[in-house]
Amino acid sequence: EAGVTQFPSHSVIEKGQTVTLRCDPISGHDNLYWYRRVMGKEIKFLLHFVKESKQDESGMPNNRFLAERTGGTYSTLKVQPAELEDSGVYFCASSQGTGELFFGEGSRLTVL
Amino acid sequence: RKEVEQDPGPFNVPEGATVAFNCTYSNSASQSFFWYRQDCRKEPKLLMSVYSSGNEDGRFTAQLNRASQYISLLIRDSKLSDSATYLCVVNEYGNKLVFGAGTILRVKS
Repeated sequence: EAGVTQFPSHSVIEKGQTVTLRCDPISGHDNLYWYRRVMGKEIKFLLHFVKESKQDESGMPNNRFLAERTGGTYSTLKVQPAELEDSGVYFCASSQGTGELFFGEGSRLTVL
Repeated sequence: RKEVEQDPGPFNVPEGATVAFNCTYSNSASQSFFWYRQDCRKEPKLLMSVYSSGNEDGRFTAQLNRASQYISLLIRDSKLSDSATYLCVVNEYGNKLVFGAGTILRVKS
């Protein structure tokens, strides 16, 4: 069975550009989460979808970040315009109900 | 003050050693507790859940002290393959996980 997959694995962009990260959760998992780890810091929660609805977006840093999950399947996280401090690893995770979270390998974003 | 605090290490130990990691958390209303393992440039993976009664999985033993808001992980008979970063993780509510910064373990032959 495929795990959580994320694309791209690594993205290098310039400040002011736009990047869109994609996450495909494990099939059948209604819960999808975005987390990120910026350099030297701990992994932090960004938001939580239940199917296509945003359950909790309290961790989203500002309005330059937009997450969507149309149709309740895959999700995208768009950063527009990107700033230097957005560099880090963006992890997606999915779960069946409130069970174990399974993480993807992450998308490493470098903003120059 | 960080919500979940861990000693970053690194802990450098020889094979076969016993090593213990500790973690404290600030939110007394936290619901559940975990240790995750993260290998270099990989995703975090659940190692084990942590209960007040203590739980053991092979060479790994985890313990929770709710009164002290303290979580521990004990690894016995360390293997080279145990080298990784160990993340103390607290579930505040609804799978909103709060991560510690991690403790680096290096097991050497």
